[in-house]
Amino acid sequence: GQQLNQSPQSMFIQEGEDVSMNCTSSSIFNTWLWYKQDPGEGPVLLIALYKAGELTSNGRLTAQFGITRKDSFLNISASIPSDVGIYFCAGLLYNNNDMRFGAGTRLTVKP
Amino acid sequence: EADIYQTPRYLVIGTGKKITLECSQTMGHDKMYWYQQDPGMELHLIHYSYGVNSTEKGDLSSESTVSRIRTEHFPLTLESARPSHTSQYLCASSGFIAGAYHNEQFFGPGTRLTVL
Repeated sequence: GQQLNQSPQSMFIQEGEDVSMNCTSSSIFNTWLWYKQDPGEGPVLLIALYKAGELTSNGRLTAQFGITRKDSFLNISASIPSDVGIYFCAGLLYNNNDMRFGAGTRLTVKP
Repeated sequence: EADIYQTPRYLVIGTGKKITLECSQTMGHDKMYWYQQDPGMELHLIHYSYGVNSTEKGDLSSESTVSRIRTEHFPLTLESARPSHTSQYLCASSGFIAGAYHNEQFFGPGTRLTVL
């Protein structure tokens, strides 16, 4: 099936630094989503993007729906220790019923 | 905020036992999903339902079965658990929120299953 390529696989950053991660695919998606998962918990929806070119913020998080509809990025500004976790991108295909997940970006923030 | 619940949160059982993982949502969502996830890895869809009496298998082959007799309830059953079933199982739902249809999925906290 259609795969999402998420990078980087892991990041080790200092508190206060900005973070950027992205997802790409060879397929066109109708919706891009970004989730965060803490250990032992389910993913929590951070940002949903519905239109090509859309740029949406949620606090220190900013995400964009790529103009080609085949990619998306997530930026975290001024990282803090509670940003630690695994970030997953997800895309909904044209029928809005088929959701694909990236493999995740594991973020570690050093105080 | 999503209201989707899973029980138990943790389960350790012996090989051959029959188990049912519970998932309930109070949002009236028509679509519900089960995913299997090894720690820190990507999610794999194993079952989904578009409404009452509708169930379909997902991309990842699974020996589990599901049922959808009520909108709010989507239990997953393993007739005979094996060590290879050890994993985290995540339930999700999607549907109307505040009068608008949303296709994004909201997840429960998960059940971590260990089969000895």
